[in-house]
Amino acid sequence: EAQVTQNPRYLITVTGKKLTVTCSQNMNHEYMSWYRQDPGLGLRQIYYSMNVEVTDKGDVPEGYKVSRKEKRNFPLILESPSPNQTSLYFCASSLTSGYLQETQYFGPGTRLLVL
Amino acid sequence: QKEVEQNSGPLSVPEGAIASLNCTYSDRGSQSFFWYRQYSGKSPELIMFIYSNGDKEDGRFTAQLNKASQYVSLLIRDSQPSDSATYLCAVNWRDTGTASKLTFGTGTRLQVTL
Repeated sequence: EAQVTQNPRYLITVTGKKLTVTCSQNMNHEYMSWYRQDPGLGLRQIYYSMNVEVTDKGDVPEGYKVSRKEKRNFPLILESPSPNQTSLYFCASSLTSGYLQETQYFGPGTRLLVL
Repeated sequence: QKEVEQNSGPLSVPEGAIASLNCTYSDRGSQSFFWYRQYSGKSPELIMFIYSNGDKEDGRFTAQLNKASQYVSLLIRDSQPSDSATYLCAVNWRDTGTASKLTFGTGTRLQVTL
């Protein structure tokens, strides 16, 4: 089954404790992206990757890191989480990043609470 | 900053009626437009995309695009209680180089009443 998976689905942590949220897709997609969703602010892009070893900042990259060592995986790293990073996070992928962008497929989401 | 505007709602329509959801965008160069549906606590799922001016129909859903007015809408005919969700409008535009970006509106919450 074609899908985007994320782990963990729910996470409660404390300020400053490094964490990683994994994202994996099995559709051989080149383009992957991370979003956060907050009430009243909608989906905002954190980072994206056009292909292996190619990543770039989205609209709200502060406090986050990413890497793309393999085509299928795109982990999101919070080196020192803070309470303002409490949010619902989605990973998404699409075939390419062409201008008439193909459909983005979303993972199930990771709900993060930073105390 | 590219902007996509939607009325947050809730938009309440009776079962069987037509629901009309609207979206405006700021980037006149935007070329592709998407409607996603998101149930509470779930991930967005694509309903329709549209590239050309005019109407595009898929079952009970019709997307309408007017690039001159920078306006895109989604009509849902014969609304069902299962259509109750938040509908996200997304607009694609070219970023630096060859990358394109997708900007989402904050969504319109639709409630279909019995």
